[in-house]
Amino acid sequence: KQEVTQIPAALSVPEGENLVLNCSFTDSAIYNLQWFRQDPGKGLTSLLLIQSSQREQTSGRLNASLDKSSGRSTLYIAASQPGDSATYLCAVITGGGNKLTFGTGTQLKVEL
Amino acid sequence: DGGITQSPKYLFRKEGQNVTLSCEQNLNHDAMYWYRQDPGQGLRLIYYSQIVNDFQKGDIAEGYSVSREKKESFPLTVTSAQKNPTAFYLCASSTSGGVAGELFFGEGSRLTVL
Repeated sequence: KQEVTQIPAALSVPEGENLVLNCSFTDSAIYNLQWFRQDPGKGLTSLLLIQSSQREQTSGRLNASLDKSSGRSTLYIAASQPGDSATYLCAVITGGGNKLTFGTGTQLKVEL
Repeated sequence: DGGITQSPKYLFRKEGQNVTLSCEQNLNHDAMYWYRQDPGQGLRLIYYSQIVNDFQKGDIAEGYSVSREKKESFPLTVTSAQKNPTAFYLCASSTSGGVAGELFFGEGSRLTVL
């Protein structure tokens, strides 16, 4: 059974800092990995989708990498801003390709 | 604007009542999903549907039911058999029912049992 872990569970950084969020998964036979952002009481917003054949994806200040063999993905946020404060979740698709397994998220706070 | 609309945003239910949560999408996606989110836990899949008139149970389907009569709509009924229904419910859709593409979510519905 696929298990997804995100460490740390919470992170507080000063504005302007570059930071890395980690996601690890136990079954490396994934179809893709997706990073999401969730603001309190809201739905999930898709940030980046990495197909299994890709090693990274970039969108603005965000860069996500994927290392299937080691079962890891990282989300790099450059020059963090208070507006980046949210919970970040990663999810992987394994097996039949229809179901995502989610991590429990990293709650990020960027302080002025 | 294209997207996924969930309603109602907040819902209160008395014990023993069934309630139905609405999910509508205009993204022309084939696959639709219902997830449940509880504090401190990852999202858990309740039901999913790859095509009209077909759906499959997820990891926590007991006490829930769904229908998929139209491509755009995937309502979730929380029945009185669900022992702990208070939660945040999220509907999602994706481009493919096979190897799933990017997943898009609605804004969620918060159900509270009084």
